Amino acid sequence: QQQVKQSPQSLIVQKGGISIINCAYENTAFDYFPWYQQFPGKGPALLIAIRPDVSEKKEGRFTISFNKSAKQFSLHIMDSQPGDSATYFCAAIKRKAGNMLTFGGGTRLMVKP
Amino acid sequence: DAMVIQNPRYQVTQFGKPVTLSCSQTLNHNVMYWYQQKSSQAPKLLFHYYDKDFNNEADTPDNFQSRRPNTSFCFLDIRSPGLGDAAMYLCATSKTLRERKDTQYFGPGTRLTVL
Repeated sequence: QQQVKQSPQSLIVQKGGISIINCAYENTAFDYFPWYQQFPGKGPALLIAIRPDVSEKKEGRFTISFNKSAKQFSLHIMDSQPGDSATYFCAAIKRKAGNMLTFGGGTRLMVKP
Repeated sequence: DAMVIQNPRYQVTQFGKPVTLSCSQTLNHNVMYWYQQKSSQAPKLLFHYYDKDFNNEADTPDNFQSRRPNTSFCFLDIRSPGLGDAAMYLCATSKTLRERKDTQYFGPGTRLTVL
């Protein structure tokens, strides 16, 4: 059973547009939600993360929106650029169970020039 | 720069021939992880070390072993690679297991090909 569901699997956005990736989780024991960005042939890199007591966190063009009651969170990439083309993974962590990442399935984003 | 380093970046081995992948870190982190990532899939945790304490995921095959001789280095040994073990192997580190905002830093990965 997939504990963190991510959609869409792939996304094509025009340069300057907004990219939106959604994730939903089942287990309310999750208490930290990072997003990772992975370029082809590279390891994932931490992009931004949020705690469940915060509804939104913004870092530059990247924003996480968090809806605790719906057990959903999303990544918004404003003014998307071709250099943002990568695979994005949402993840969830249960701090009390150790720093283990439960990943979503990933979204392959392509930003067209 | 502090970082997670993996060697080699590309490894080709033959079916059944043991192979060892290497990870080193200059972050002085206590925890080191090994993940397997197959094409178009999320990374899958194989095991992790907290200092010298080894923790195996329940579904990690016995074919996969690990060693951590010191804080900086961790090795992944695949005793008898099968065709299904062809994947990207990612090493990651974190300072602790439970602190807020303490998440994992990944290396660039080793792409393993099994012939």
